[in-house]
Amino acid sequence: QKEVEQNSGPLSVPEGAIASLNCTYSDRVSQSFFWYRQYSGKSPELIMSIYSNGDKEDGRFTAQLNKASQYVSLLIRDSQPSDSATYLCAVNTHSGNTPLVFGKGTRLSVIA
Amino acid sequence: DADVTQTPRNRITKTGKRIMLECSQTKGHDRMYWYRQDPGLGLRLIYYSFDVKDINKGEISDGYSVSRQAQAKFSLSLESAIPNQTALYFCATSDLKPGKQYFGPGTRLTVT
Repeated sequence: QKEVEQNSGPLSVPEGAIASLNCTYSDRVSQSFFWYRQYSGKSPELIMSIYSNGDKEDGRFTAQLNKASQYVSLLIRDSQPSDSATYLCAVNTHSGNTPLVFGKGTRLSVIA
Repeated sequence: DADVTQTPRNRITKTGKRIMLECSQTKGHDRMYWYRQDPGLGLRLIYYSFDVKDINKGEISDGYSVSRQAQAKFSLSLESAIPNQTALYFCATSDLKPGKQYFGPGTRLTVT
């Protein structure tokens, strides 16, 4: 059973701080990694993807991947109350012929 | 108009009733998915379809069936609804690489 694990939270950070969200996965052959954001009562939306070891930055968001440790993280700099949401980690094992495996999500609360 | 639509958006039904949830997309994607989301359990895959002639069971297909009527339409049926099928149901689509999924707005189903 392929698994993607996330701390359910809530993770509370003050406005302006860095929020760090973590995810581990069980299948060593995983190749593609994604972060989705889901506001309460809304549908998930893709915010970051990463495919190789290291960091990938997009605005205030940085995704970090360490395949040796089977670990992927999302950093949100200068956190805003509008970042308060649940963040879902998703992993794809093969070259695209299997569905994504989602973690259960981490709820982030940014306190003004 | 939204790219992925779901009908109905809310439904209350009684135990034992048959119910169909419908999903339509205008993105031209071949791949479509049905998920359910329960508090604390994250997104769980029910069925997925990589093209019109392809139907695959997901993690929790028992009690559900699907029909892929066309590239743009993918329906989920509950043959005999039971209370533990009360959940938020999402349809999603993707192109050949499943990482970037586009979700519909969701259907909130309550079985009494």
